[in-house]
Amino acid sequence: EIVLTQSPGTLSLSPGERATLSCRASQIVSSSYLAWYQQKPGQAPRLLIYGASSRATGIPDRFSGSGSGTDFTLTISRLEPEDFAVYYCQQYGSSPMYTFGQGTMLEIK
Amino acid sequence: QVQLVQSGAEVKKPGASVKVSCKASGYTFTSYYMHWVRQAPGQGLEWMGIINPGGGGTSYARKFQGRVTMTRDTSTSTVYMDLISLRSEDTAVYYCAREQLLHAFDMWGQGTMVTVSS
Repeated sequence: EIVLTQSPGTLSLSPGERATLSCRASQIVSSSYLAWYQQKPGQAPRLLIYGASSRATGIPDRFSGSGSGTDFTLTISRLEPEDFAVYYCQQYGSSPMYTFGQGTMLEIK
Repeated sequence: QVQLVQSGAEVKKPGASVKVSCKASGYTFTSYYMHWVRQAPGQGLEWMGIINPGGGGTSYARKFQGRVTMTRDTSTSTVYMDLISLRSEDTAVYYCAREQLLHAFDMWGQGTMVTVSS
């Protein structure tokens, strides 16, 4: 089973700053099958990025994804107040098997 | 518009079972796989399993094999998740989620809180 480890656990930044969130896999992950989600308190997760770098429908272009192999990154270029939330990465492997990272909390500094 | 609407909150005693429903609308039900994901209070997301609404085939995470059953009713565009032998650790919000291209989940239900308590 592939384990996804996200870092940092908590990231404290101010609106307008750039956020860089990391997701590291215990084995090589197909870039096609790496996704990122945003979750706000009391809400279901929302798909941001799929295929490691493709933005989902309606997602602003300040969100971007990159990476390959075992290291993936979600970047938010200029933080807006509504971006402060918890972010999860997720991968698909054979069997089928889907796993999530433990999450990164992005909080206002 | 595309919607996934789940059944309401449940309170169960240890050892009991729970059945959560997820009704899909706004798209062709049989064209997209559906998943169940749960989230314990203050914790992360945990994948439970997948169902193909078209053929009914399922696959479950190893942790839940023997305790979970996922079914569907194509006449009502509804998928169901049945979890038996409940214990306190099963207290969580349970989500259904639609799988889009490349095995990502593009639509989620609103979540169903299941509380297991004596």
